[in-house]
Amino acid sequence: EAGVTQFPSHSVIEKGQTVTLRCDPISGHDNLYWYRRVMGKEIKFLLHFVKESKQDESGMPNNRFLAERTGGTYSTLKVQPAELEDSGVYFCASSQDLSEKLFFGSGTQLSVL
Amino acid sequence: EDQVTQSPEALRLQEGESSSLNCSYTVSGLRGLFWYRQDPGKGPEFLFTLYSAGEEKEKERLKATLTKKESFLHITAPKPEDSATYLCAVPLRDNYGQNFVFGPGTRLSVLP
Repeated sequence: EAGVTQFPSHSVIEKGQTVTLRCDPISGHDNLYWYRRVMGKEIKFLLHFVKESKQDESGMPNNRFLAERTGGTYSTLKVQPAELEDSGVYFCASSQDLSEKLFFGSGTQLSVL
Repeated sequence: EDQVTQSPEALRLQEGESSSLNCSYTVSGLRGLFWYRQDPGKGPEFLFTLYSAGEEKEKERLKATLTKKESFLHITAPKPEDSATYLCAVPLRDNYGQNFVFGPGTRLSVLP
């Protein structure tokens, strides 16, 4: 069974540019989460999808971040325009049920220069 | 505010030298405490979930325990392959789902 897949694994962009991160959850997992770790900080929750609906987006830092999950399968996280403080590792995770353990992808390392 | 702290920040052990990692939390209405292992360049990997004080779970050389205010991850006779960052996390209060508050982690190094 394939795990959670994230693409790209690394992205280096300049301040002001746009970047789109993609996450493919485990097949059949309705719950999809985005988290991120910025340098020296804990992993922080960004948002939670149930199928194609945003269940909780209370962790999204500002309106430069847009997450979508069209069709309830893969998800994208767009940062536009990127700022220096957006640098960090962005993790995606999925689960079958709400109370189940999360399966994490390996993350996307985003560097904004 | 829900908070999770972990200690020590880093721990170096000799192979076979047992020890414990601590996770303290301030959450009302705990809906579970989760332990994850994270290797460099990888995402967190699930280890255990504990739901009530007094509960214990074991997996190979690891045993997790839970009290009303903290959890311990005991490592018995560790091996170099146990080297990783160990994270604990609790679901956010008033949310259903796994919207976690993560602790900062303990970086464990086991030397041969």
